[in-house]
Amino acid sequence: DTEVTQTPKHLVMGMTNKKSLKCEQHMGHRAMYWYKQKAKKPPELMFVYSYEKLSINESVPSRFSPECPNSSLLNLHLHALQPEDSALYLCASSQAKGLALPPGTDTQYFGPGTRLTVL
Amino acid sequence: AQTVTQSQPEMSVQEAETVTLSCTYDTSESNYYLFWYKQPPSRQMILVIRQEAYKQQNATENRFSVNFQKAAKSFSLKISDSQLGDTAMYFCAFMFGTYKYIFGTGTRLKVLA
Repeated sequence: DTEVTQTPKHLVMGMTNKKSLKCEQHMGHRAMYWYKQKAKKPPELMFVYSYEKLSINESVPSRFSPECPNSSLLNLHLHALQPEDSALYLCASSQAKGLALPPGTDTQYFGPGTRLTVL
Repeated sequence: AQTVTQSQPEMSVQEAETVTLSCTYDTSESNYYLFWYKQPPSRQMILVIRQEAYKQQNATENRFSVNFQKAAKSFSLKISDSQLGDTAMYFCAFMFGTYKYIFGTGTRLKVLA
C-alpha cells in the first residue's frame, strides 16, 4: 500500500474560522511533510516531521499549526487565515533519515491534496 | 543556495513520439538525489523516476529515462512512445541533507492525439 490519504478534499473557510486538515499513511514512514501549492506553481515546503517531532519549519506563519499525534497521522490546524492562503495543501511521507535504508527510500509519496479556499 | 531550473514552461508532443524535458540545478552538495514527479490534472503527484548523484548510470523506468550530467548539473527526462496519459505537469526535484526537497517550476506537457 503506497497510499497517502488526505481529508477533506475541499474546504472553504472564513478568516475567523478554525479548521483542520488531516493526512494519513500506513506505509510505516516516519517522515511526513506539508506543502503548499499555488496554481501552476511548484509545491513549497512548509513543515517536516521526523519520528513525530517537528524537524523543519520553513518560517510558516503561526496561523498554521502542525501536529503529528502518531506515526501514521499528520494534522494541519488552521486559524485566522488570509485569502492569500488559498491553495492546494499537499501531504507527503517518506522513510526517515538516519537509518541504513536501501535505495529508493528517500522517495516521497504524495496525497491528493486539500483544496483550501479562504473567503 | 540550492536551485532547480526548468526552462520549458510548456511543451507538446504527438502521441507515440519522443520528448525531452530539461532540468538544471545548482548545488555545492556532493551527495544528493534527483527526481522527476508527474502531476496530472487530477493533482496527485506521482514519482516518475529517481537518480542518486553518486551513480553514473542513467536511471530508466520503462518509457522514461534520464540523462544525468553531473558536471553540467543537468538532469533531463526523456519520454519515449508518448501516450495521452502522459499529459501532466512535470516537476524536477532535488533532495539533499535531511528532508530538504526543492522543486523546479514545472513543465506542462501536452500529448496530442
